[in-house]
Amino acid sequence: GDSVTQTEGPVTLSEGTSLTVNCSYETKQYPTLFWYVQYPGEGPQLLFKVPKANEKGSSRGFEATYNKEATSFHLQKASVQESDSAVYYCALSDHSGGSNYKLTFGKGTLLTVTP
Amino acid sequence: EAAVTQSPRNKVAVTGGKVTLSCNQTNNHNNMYWYRQDTGHGLRLIHYSYGAGSTEKGDIPDGYKASRPSQENFSLILELATPSQTSVYFCASGGDWGVYAEQFFGPGTRLTVL
Repeated sequence: GDSVTQTEGPVTLSEGTSLTVNCSYETKQYPTLFWYVQYPGEGPQLLFKVPKANEKGSSRGFEATYNKEATSFHLQKASVQESDSAVYYCALSDHSGGSNYKLTFGKGTLLTVTP
Repeated sequence: EAAVTQSPRNKVAVTGGKVTLSCNQTNNHNNMYWYRQDTGHGLRLIHYSYGAGSTEKGDIPDGYKASRPSQENFSLILELATPSQTSVYFCASGGDWGVYAEQFFGPGTRLTVL
């Protein structure tokens, strides 16, 4: 079946430093790739999604490129802020039948940014 | 205004007891999902539904049942709760746009089974 592997946390960074969270995936299909973010006490929310290979998604200073050849979708940010402290999930879509689908999530990466 | 709500937000149950977690969505989405979140495992799919009256098994359905009586409501039922089911449970809804759709999550229910 489908699988997603991402950087194991926790990751602790100082404010202003750069972030990379690695994400690799396995699937026999041609998926859409997602990054979700979960702030403390809340449910996950979409950060951005990319449906096509070689395209880049971005939001709130975060970005990731859909690399079909390398089956990767690494999350990057040039300069993190304390407010970026959260759990980040990489995910891919999967057709479970007809027009319906479900998401396969990685295990999540806890990011803590210190002032 | 929150589009996916869950109740209760916190629940303490006893081993062997019955627990029902409820989810309501106002997104008018056909698809709804139940996940559990555990440290080291991330989000794991328990059950999902394509519409009112349908339920499908996800990746870890054992020990759980689901009910979708209407477009808006989706319940997760633990008939005989066990301590291993202590977790945070999230409900989500998603549209019918194939691979382009996203899922919208509720705030979660923290369940403790003693």
